[in-house]
Amino acid sequence: GAGVSQSPSNKVTEKGKDVELRCDPISGHTALYWYRQRLGQGLEFLIYFQGNSAPDKSGLPSDRFSAERTGESVSTLTIQRTQQEDSAVYLCASSLVETQYFGPGTRLLVL
Amino acid sequence: AQSVTQLDSHVSVSEGTPVLLRCNYSSSYSPSLFWYVQHPNKGLQLLLKYTSAATLVKGINGFEAEFKKSETSFHLTKPSAHMSDAAEYFCVEYNFNKFYFGSGTKLNVKP
Repeated sequence: GAGVSQSPSNKVTEKGKDVELRCDPISGHTALYWYRQRLGQGLEFLIYFQGNSAPDKSGLPSDRFSAERTGESVSTLTIQRTQQEDSAVYLCASSLVETQYFGPGTRLLVL
Repeated sequence: AQSVTQLDSHVSVSEGTPVLLRCNYSSSYSPSLFWYVQHPNKGLQLLLKYTSAATLVKGINGFEAEFKKSETSFHLTKPSAHMSDAAEYFCVEYNFNKFYFGSGTKLNVKP
């Protein structure tokens, strides 16, 4: 079946603009995670959705970052007033139980 | 708080020699543990997982890992490295609906 997909694959934006990143999880997966991976670094947890429960937003670095998920389907991560330090690969993963399946990521470059 | 420690940020081996990537977890419970591989400019791919069954876990591409509770370790091994194994490897612990990532180990394979 189809894996996790993310769009766009690459995004170049100017400092101060807003961006929206999309994640389509594997169908039936109740959990969805967003991570940030800066160049040469490990994964940084951002936010976690589980079914209809309130999301765990403890990893969001500032109030410029927000995410939504419609039921158990697509999720969007929004970064407002982007800064150069937001440049990174944003990875989405979904899971049914404890195994995460990752999308290919969105590479964001803020000029 | 849970933490995962990957003891080496870089490991370099010659093709055909054994690979050892070290990982220590911190949980006092029996966690689920994973190894993921990330090739350059690619998403994360699941190599193997431990979920409290057999302590020696076999994964894809000839990799295996052994869960040692007494040492709180989950080291990744492969008997003979191949050039295509050059990538970054992440050790991950799953506990209480959260995933904890190690900082990654970059594996370099010399011809």
